[in-house]
Amino acid sequence: QKEVEQNSGPLSVPEGAIASLNCTYSDRGSQSFFWYRQYSGKSPELIMFIYSNGDKEDGRFTAQLNKASQYVSLLIRDSQPSDSATYLCAVREGGSEKLVFGKGTKLTVNP
Amino acid sequence: GAVVSQHPSWVICKSGTSVKIECRSLDFQATTMFWYRQFPKQSLMLMATSNEGSKATYEQGVEKDKFLINHASLTLSTLTVTSAHPEDSSFYICSAREDLIGRETQYFGPGTRLLVL
Repeated sequence: QKEVEQNSGPLSVPEGAIASLNCTYSDRGSQSFFWYRQYSGKSPELIMFIYSNGDKEDGRFTAQLNKASQYVSLLIRDSQPSDSATYLCAVREGGSEKLVFGKGTKLTVNP
Repeated sequence: GAVVSQHPSWVICKSGTSVKIECRSLDFQATTMFWYRQFPKQSLMLMATSNEGSKATYEQGVEKDKFLINHASLTLSTLTVTSAHPEDSSFYICSAREDLIGRETQYFGPGTRLLVL
């Protein structure tokens, strides 16, 4: 069964620090990788997507993909209390329309 | 990013009634939409994949006769929960896939909270 694994946390970091969120996936044929943020009681919000090995930066967010290691991560620089949420890693399986979601990592940024 | 709306945002209904939830892509056309369900403190569960003009593909364990999906246009998919029961109370979220050259991305609607009494 194809899986996406995330550390459920909670991950707690002080304001201004770097938060590092990790995700591994089992399907080597996966093509597309996404990070979503979900605040409590709300639906997921797309933060970043990445398709190629390496780093992709967008503001305070950096996604890192290593297909050989089947590993994708999200770094949040200068973390803010408003970044406190559950972060979902999602992977699109090769040959499929569906996204497979991890169970999410709960991040708390302490003022 | 692209905008996806859902209506209604909240539904409270009596057991045995049917509830229809609409999902619209507002600024793009979506040949594929997805319906998810999320129970409190649990992860998203994909219920079905909805393709415009064809029958939906349901995930294992999801009753297609109970959760009716219609994707009648490139901007609208509907989910009808038929003969709802208290165990159907959940957070129902749709997503729509935007296909651009070299890139495809799923955007989520704000969700619909269903409470069946």
